[in-house]
Amino acid sequence: GQNIDQPTEMTATEGAIVQINCTYQTSGFNGLFWYQQHAGEAPTFLSYNVLDGLEEKGRFSSFLSRSKGYSYLLLKELQMKDSASYLCAAMDSNYQLIWGAGTKLIIKP
Amino acid sequence: IAGITQAPTSQILAAGRRMTLRCTQDMRHNAMYWYRQDLGLGLRLIHYSNTAGTTGKGEVPDGYSVSRANTDDFPLTLASAVPSQTSVYFCASSSGTDTQYFGPGTRLTVL
Repeated sequence: GQNIDQPTEMTATEGAIVQINCTYQTSGFNGLFWYQQHAGEAPTFLSYNVLDGLEEKGRFSSFLSRSKGYSYLLLKELQMKDSASYLCAAMDSNYQLIWGAGTKLIIKP
Repeated sequence: IAGITQAPTSQILAAGRRMTLRCTQDMRHNAMYWYRQDLGLGLRLIHYSNTAGTTGKGEVPDGYSVSRANTDDFPLTLASAVPSQTSVYFCASSSGTDTQYFGPGTRLTVL
């Protein structure tokens, strides 16, 4: 079957670094997406990886290992506004997204 | 319009009533999607459309129907609402093989 696993909740301190992990199993693979979702709002696109390696975009980076079915989202210099849920989604062979349940990130001052 | 709009923003509905959630995009995306999001669960795909005139069933299609008469609009209909359909509904669109962009959502409560 198809499955995405990510931690339910994480806590970090303002100014620190946090890594949110995601493992996936899909029928075929056409890329790994990360979205951010603030409470009561829609998911917004953060990053996309289809090749192995690290993609850096400002304070956010995303890593992919296709052989391990593993990705992580790295957030640096955490700010209070980064408090949100982070959704991992893998695109299968039919170009449909399979979604994880999301990781709620709590930032403490 | 910029992006994707959904209407209504929220709705309280009596069980057994018919309800249509509206979704419109102005990005000329071929593909459109309807998801529901429930606490503790990931986004679950209800129905999708890869191009105007075609639709497909997602993971949880029962009790819902869709149509895609043109590129811009993708309404979702609940023929006879039940309390288990209480959820937040998101519409999304994409070029088909690329990033999905989401509307602001409709919060639906069925009593």
